[in-house]
This record gives sequence, structure tokens and C-alpha cells, in this order.
Amino acid sequence: DIQLTQSPSFLSASVGDRVTITCRASQDINSYLAWYQQKPGKAPKLLIYAASALQSGVPSRFSGSGSGTDFTLTISSLQPEDFATYYCQQVNNYPFTFGPGTKLIIK
Amino acid sequence: QITLKESGPTLVKPTQTLTLTCTFSGFSLSNSGVGVGWIRQPPGKALEWLALIYWNDDKHSSPSLKSRLTITKDTSKNQVVLTMTNMDPVDTATYYCARLFYYDSSGYYVDYWGQGTLVTVSS
Repeated sequence: DIQLTQSPSFLSASVGDRVTITCRASQDINSYLAWYQQKPGKAPKLLIYAASALQSGVPSRFSGSGSGTDFTLTISSLQPEDFATYYCQQVNNYPFTFGPGTKLIIK
Repeated sequence: QITLKESGPTLVKPTQTLTLTCTFSGFSLSNSGVGVGWIRQPPGKALEWLALIYWNDDKHSSPSLKSRLTITKDTSKNQVVLTMTNMDPVDTATYYCARLFYYDSSGYYVDYWGQGTLVTVSS
């Protein structure tokens, strides 16, 4: 299985801040990576696919970059509704593994 | 409008078999470029990929659980069924079904999720 690691595990930030979350794969996954946002008690929501493509309806303050083994999710200006847990997922190889998550909390 | 909904028991005993049904609408699993997958999440923990089935009946399951998982589809009923044998308390989790869609030249991604169903394994 391809292992995904995320850093940091927890991130404390304020409204208006620019934040970056990193996802690293244990082997080359090209650009076959997605980012999801999950709020408590809810199903995840697709934000970014193919490492950098913005899913329809997702605000443009979200952006993704990277290829190979190193990827980032950036939120350019945090809004109150962005405080949630973020997961990366690779879809290059089966099984389609998820990262352990990054919890974004209000400072 | 695309929707998915999981149904099945909320409580199972250890060693029993869990059967979950995903009933969906707004798309057909007979169309190319579509799949349905199952993902679970233990309370307070991360997401774990379980299995998926594609429009052409191609199937893939997590190697660590492969011997316990079976996934099937009934295209006429718009349903996908997941069975997991020999349930254990560590299998307590919210189980989600989700649609996978093929984004041109970019691979399959989960774009719609069900609301999830909490399954507790306890005697």
C-alpha cells in the first residue's frame, strides 16, 4: 500500500491567515491526489483533485500543488467555515489510501 | 441531483457478518467512468478505504481486509452491497459509500458521499 503522511497533524490559525498543509506519499503517485475537507459529524467534501484542480463550487481561496511524492493544500485567507479536518488521498494505486488528517483549529 | 444512502444494522455482534447496502440516485453504475466505493472511519480517527466496484464490474478491495470483504452491484436497483465477515469491535466505525467519477485523464475521484452509517460491534 502507498502510505501518506500529513503535516502538521494540528494547525492553529486565525481568520484571514494563509495556511499550508503538506501531504507526502511513500512512492511516486504522479498527480493522482485529492484533498478533502471534513467537518464534525459530516461526510468529507472534495476540494481538489488531480493535485491542483479545483472541484466545482469550491472557493478559489483553496489551491493545491505538487506532483510525485510531495503535495500541498493552501488556503489563502482562512474563513470561519474553513476550520475542519483535511485529508489527502492518493488514487494512483489500489487501495486508494488516505492520509491521517490535519485538524485546523481556531487560534 | 446525486445522492447516496447507506443502510444496514447499527449493531452487530462479534464474529457476525455485516451487510451494508448503498442505494444511490442521480447516476447509473452502468455508465462508463463511474464507480461506487466504501470507506469507513472509526470514531475520532482517520478515513480508511475498504473497497470499490466500477461500472464494468471491476472490483478492488483493501488487501488488509480482502479476505473479509465482498462487494457487488445491482445496476437495476441502483445499489451496491458490501459484506464484511467476522466482525470485531475494532470494526466499529461510520461506514460511508461514495461515488467515484473519472475526471478526464486525471483518474477516479470521490465526488459524492453518503451521510454515513455508524456500525457498532459489541456483544
